[in-house]
Parts: sequence; structure tokens; C-alpha cells
Amino acid sequence: GQQLNQSPQSMFIQEGEDVSMNCTSSSIFNTWLWYKQDPGEGPVLLIALYKAGELTSNGRLTAQFGITRKDSFLNISASIPSDVGIYFCAAPNAGGTSYGKLTFGQGTILTVHP
Amino acid sequence: EAQVTQNPRYLITVTGKKLTVTCSQNMNHEYMSWYRQDPGLGLRQIYYSMNVEVTDKGDVPEGYKVSRKEKRNFPLILESPSPNQTSLYFCASSSLPGNYYEQYFGPGTRLTVT
Repeated sequence: GQQLNQSPQSMFIQEGEDVSMNCTSSSIFNTWLWYKQDPGEGPVLLIALYKAGELTSNGRLTAQFGITRKDSFLNISASIPSDVGIYFCAAPNAGGTSYGKLTFGQGTILTVHP
Repeated sequence: EAQVTQNPRYLITVTGKKLTVTCSQNMNHEYMSWYRQDPGLGLRQIYYSMNVEVTDKGDVPEGYKVSRKEKRNFPLILESPSPNQTSLYFCASSSLPGNYYEQYFGPGTRLTVT
């Protein structure tokens, strides 16, 4: 199946620092999504991107849909302790027989030190 | 409250003993899906369902069965569990038509097979 490669795998930062993570693939996607999983919970959708080059913000979070349609980026500004968790990129497969499939990256584990 | 519920939340079982993990949503969503989460592998889709009586394989369907007899329920069945099915399982749902990938996740079921 299609694969999404996230980096970094983990990050340890101080409160107040900015964070950047990315997701790449060898395949082209028409939509990119970013989910966050709080410790002990299920993932929650943060941002959805629908157009190449699109830049979308949700509070301190900003995500971008790469121009090549093979990558996406997530930035978190001025991190706070509640940003701790696992961040996943995801992308739906193209139509046809794969309609309904959703592929996730391996996740970036974020730890924020107060 | 709109939610996806899973039961049980924790389960320890032995190899070969059939088990069912239930999933129910109260949002009248057409689409439902099952994922497993393993360290370093992210979330991998097991099965999904676009509507009642319609189910399709995800990326890792081997060893699992599902059924969708009612819109609100989507149970995951392990006919003969093996230790390599020890994992954290998530059920998710979304409304259709259109953005099935904007999903609401349940709280997870941690399964250990000895």
C-alpha cells in the first residue's frame, strides 16, 4: 500500500519553542490531514488541506500542503505543555477501488518540558 | 454527546480464544473503520465500511472479520487471536458523502494476546 513517512520520530522541546514536522510520500495525494493523539485517547483531527500550496492555521498550528502534492508540513508556535502527544499525518487514497482507505504516517511523538 | 464508544477498553486473552470488540456511534454516520496502532508503525487500517452491509479490506485485514448489520455498530471479530494481534485498536466514524477521512475516533481498546 501507499506509505507516508513522518519526521522526526520524536521531539523533546522546551515550553515556548516552535515545532516543525513533516510528512512525505512517493505518491501524489489530493488531500492531507493532520491528527493529534493525546495520551490515552483516540486521535482528533486538527487540520485538513485540500489544495496544493494551501496554508491553513488552527490557533497556534499551521499546516501546509506541499506544491508537489507529495508532502505536508505542520508547525506549532510557542509550544505549551498540553501540546504533548503524537501527531499523525494522513492521506486518503485516490478514488476507484481504494475509495474509503486512509493511510497514516508513523507519527511524531512530542514532549514539552515546562 | 456525540461519540464513538468501544468495549471493552482493556482485554487480556489467550491464543485461539475467539473475541469481539464492539464499536458504536451515535452520530448517524455512514462510514466506520477499524485501525490498529503499534509503536513505530502508526495507525494501520484493518477494515472499513461505507454503509450497512458494505465492508472492505484495509491494509492489514488478515486475522480479522467485521460485520455491519446496523448503521451504528461495527464490531471487530478475532476468530482465533494470536500474539501478533496484541495491539491498541481504534474504531472511527465519519459522515458521507464526501470527506470520509475527517474521522471521529473512539477511545481505543488495548488487547493483549498471550
